[in-house]
Amino acid sequence: SAVISQKPSRDICQRGTSLTIQCQVDSQVTMMFWYRQQPGQSLTLIATANQGSEATYESGFVIDKFPISRPNLTFSTLTVSNMSPEDSSIYLCSVGKTGGMGAFFGQGTRLTVV
Amino acid sequence: DAKTTQPPSMDCAEGRAANLPCNHSTISGNEYVYWYRQIHSQGPQYIIHGLKNNETNEMASLIITEDRKSSTLILPHATLRDTAVYYCIAPAGGTSYGKLTFGQGTILTVHP
Repeated sequence: SAVISQKPSRDICQRGTSLTIQCQVDSQVTMMFWYRQQPGQSLTLIATANQGSEATYESGFVIDKFPISRPNLTFSTLTVSNMSPEDSSIYLCSVGKTGGMGAFFGQGTRLTVV
Repeated sequence: DAKTTQPPSMDCAEGRAANLPCNHSTISGNEYVYWYRQIHSQGPQYIIHGLKNNETNEMASLIITEDRKSSTLILPHATLRDTAVYYCIAPAGGTSYGKLTFGQGTILTVHP
């Protein structure tokens, strides 16, 4: 198993500002993933973060809005830039299981933009 | 990823078995079926996965039809704490490394 810690667990931010979310894993992992869950909706993959290379973004998500860092095999950050109320969501970090069979998820960061 | 179809909601009485169906008729030969659940305000939790054989663990059983076009997650003795959204996912390729496409899932409500 893997233990994933996300910080902050929740935040209320002013529109136009940026928030950086941290994801720490208790073991080295190759791939880390960032998801968004809008209110009442399912999870949507934002991007895949590989150590030593640029993140790979899914359709509808761009690096300028959601820059991601992956400085080592246990840590990643997601920044939500120039926030608007539409960015109010839960943001979740996940890692793949050893052997590639499924994933573990953090508890998420509940973001409210006012 | 193979498209999966699940009923939007189901009810179950506490102590009874909850049987959650999933249709994945376009699944290919090397695609596993995964089940996750998300309890309110928490991150998704892995439950079980399988390829073609039935699987059982401490949380649930997974029954996969012989043609692999559908599966059923069974919670043998549902409790109130099993109330959650259950997601059936069939990611592309033999190993997903955690890259998952979530559908809308099934909201399971366990009532006293």
